[in-house]
Amino acid sequence: AQKVTQAQTEISVVEKEDVTLDCVYETRDTTYYLFWYKQPPSGELVFLIRRNSFDEQNEISGRYSWNFQKSTSSFNFTITASQVVDSAVYFCALTKGGGSEKLVFGKGTKLTVNP
Amino acid sequence: NAGVTQTPKFQVLKTGQSMTLQCAQDMNHEYMSWYRQDPGMGLRLIHYSVGAGITDQGEVPNGYNVSRSTTEDFPLRLLSAAPSQTSVYFCASSPGRGLQYFGPGTRLTVT
Repeated sequence: AQKVTQAQTEISVVEKEDVTLDCVYETRDTTYYLFWYKQPPSGELVFLIRRNSFDEQNEISGRYSWNFQKSTSSFNFTITASQVVDSAVYFCALTKGGGSEKLVFGKGTKLTVNP
Repeated sequence: NAGVTQTPKFQVLKTGQSMTLQCAQDMNHEYMSWYRQDPGMGLRLIHYSVGAGITDQGEVPNGYNVSRSTTEDFPLRLLSAAPSQTSVYFCASSPGRGLQYFGPGTRLTVT
């Protein structure tokens, strides 16, 4: 069965600190997709990134970067120079490839960035 | 494009009452799904549909029914509400390869 583990329940940092959110996944599939979603205090779910299992290149988007390592089944998310607006719950998720759209979510990491 | 819309945004029910949570999308996506979010549990899949007339159960389907008569609409029915169904409900649609566009959510309280 597929499983996503986000071991960090809550993280608190001071503005401008770098912070890494960990995500470890389990799957027997060779083809799958990994995701990060952000849920700010307003409650909506915001898509951040999708990565397929064949693409291990790291991704950088502004202050956000993602490190995908199949060898350790990890898909970690780093925010550089955090800002108060980054305060949110962040979810890592996993789905099968090959036509299945079902998502399995981790339990989320609540990030608080203090001014 | 409105994306994925959900109504109502908030609802309070008494135990045993029934209701339908509405979900609609205007992106012509075949795949739609319902998740519930409980504190400390992440999101869990209730039911999903791969196209009009086709639905299937997810991880936590008990107490919920769905139908999909059109591509656009995917309502979720609570037949006899229970306090354990107090949650935030998200509807989503997908263009494929797992990418989900979520609606704004419905916060349901069952007393």
